[in-house]
Amino acid sequence: QQPVQSPQAVILREGEDAVINCSSSKALYSVHWYRQKHGEAPIFLMILLKGGEQKGHDKISASFNEKKQQSSLYLTASQLSYSGTYFCGTELHQTGANNLFFGTGTRLTVIP
Amino acid sequence: DGGITQSPKYLFRKEGQNVTLSCEQNLNHDAMYWYRQDPGQGLRLIYYSQIVNDFQKGDIAEGYSVSREKKESFPLTVTSAQKNPTAFYLCASSIVVRGTGYTFGSGTRLTVV
Repeated sequence: QQPVQSPQAVILREGEDAVINCSSSKALYSVHWYRQKHGEAPIFLMILLKGGEQKGHDKISASFNEKKQQSSLYLTASQLSYSGTYFCGTELHQTGANNLFFGTGTRLTVIP
Repeated sequence: DGGITQSPKYLFRKEGQNVTLSCEQNLNHDAMYWYRQDPGQGLRLIYYSQIVNDFQKGDIAEGYSVSREKKESFPLTVTSAQKNPTAFYLCASSIVVRGTGYTFGSGTRLTVV
């Protein structure tokens, strides 16, 4: 039930772009994206609810392909503040109750 | 400001002892969750509660116990039955509506010595 994230880690220079992928073997109701700095609380970025839905937040956006049970997070023109570990959380159609299964995370490091 | 408070931030436990981690929220959220985070394994659900006096086991509930006597509070007890308790523990809350985001606390790092 735990989604699979890729890549596990990525290093970028400031201004470069990155894509983080999240896929599930189960039918998804929604996909959440969070960012966590080391030793801190994960911070909510966005939720995608409908198949094909795309959302954006500053230079961070995401898409959700409901048929493929996949979501991708796009970080464009990366900034140093984007460094952290990104987690996707998936809500399954079958479980209800807003329970999430989290991926193992993608560690993003942005260097000057 | 509304949020979730976890305490303590760091906790050391001797083998064979029970310890309780505190989680308090003032967001008026009905649902609360406990997750365990280990390096390379992401977040795994221990217990969750959607209403006072009711809670459900998650994927890794063995060796843990919880209570939900108040809406604001969801303490987690790590018992001596938990064989490998050293980890980072995160508490979260949300409203009980599908497709809504979680608010996380800043975590408690438990180390068994």
